[in-house]
Amino acid sequence: AQSVSQHNHHVILSEAASLELGCNYSYGGTVNLFWYVQYPGQHLQLLLKYFSGDPLVKGIKGFEAEFIKSKFSFNLRKPSVQWSDTAEYFCAVNGRRSSASKIIFGSGTRLSIRP
Amino acid sequence: DTAVSQTPKYLVTQMGNDKSIKCEQNLGHDTMYWYKQDSKKFLKIMFSYNNKELIINETVPNRFSPKSPDKAHLNLHINSLELGDSAVYFCASSQSSGLNEQFFGPGTRLTVL
Repeated sequence: AQSVSQHNHHVILSEAASLELGCNYSYGGTVNLFWYVQYPGQHLQLLLKYFSGDPLVKGIKGFEAEFIKSKFSFNLRKPSVQWSDTAEYFCAVNGRRSSASKIIFGSGTRLSIRP
Repeated sequence: DTAVSQTPKYLVTQMGNDKSIKCEQNLGHDTMYWYKQDSKKFLKIMFSYNNKELIINETVPNRFSPKSPDKAHLNLHINSLELGDSAVYFCASSQSSGLNEQFFGPGTRLTVL
């Protein structure tokens, strides 16, 4: 079955701490991988995406993620978080084929940053 | 200027009523989606249309009926609203011939009383 697991439901960090949010997926075939962020009261915005090539992907606002195919993982990292990073983070996957395919989202990780 | 827009932003209504939510995208995409986000922030796809044709129809009550008059619009009509329909509904769009990055609208918060 196709699924995305985000094991951390709520992460609380102090400003300047390093961040790593876990994401594991189960999906047959070649995949595209995404991290979306949802700031309080706002819609989802794309943070970064992996389609092919370098498995270390850099996104906006200093975020990066590493695709490890053998572990079916796509963990999100940031070396030093800020209070403004407080948000809900969603990992997502879809199959890489020419026609549109649905994106499967993880259940989200709420990140709270203490000032 | 907004890429994916939804109206209304907030919708408060009584049980049993019928309501519609509208979505428009100006990105030239050929695929549009409706998602439901529940109170625990869990995001689940409901429908997807590609060039006005329904291609994804998840297990959703048939009280929910999407309509796509053209590929830039995907509306969601809900009949006989129930308390459990309260959620935030997000519209999204993508280009099918590509890598399927989806762009999301601002959401419609539906509250059924």
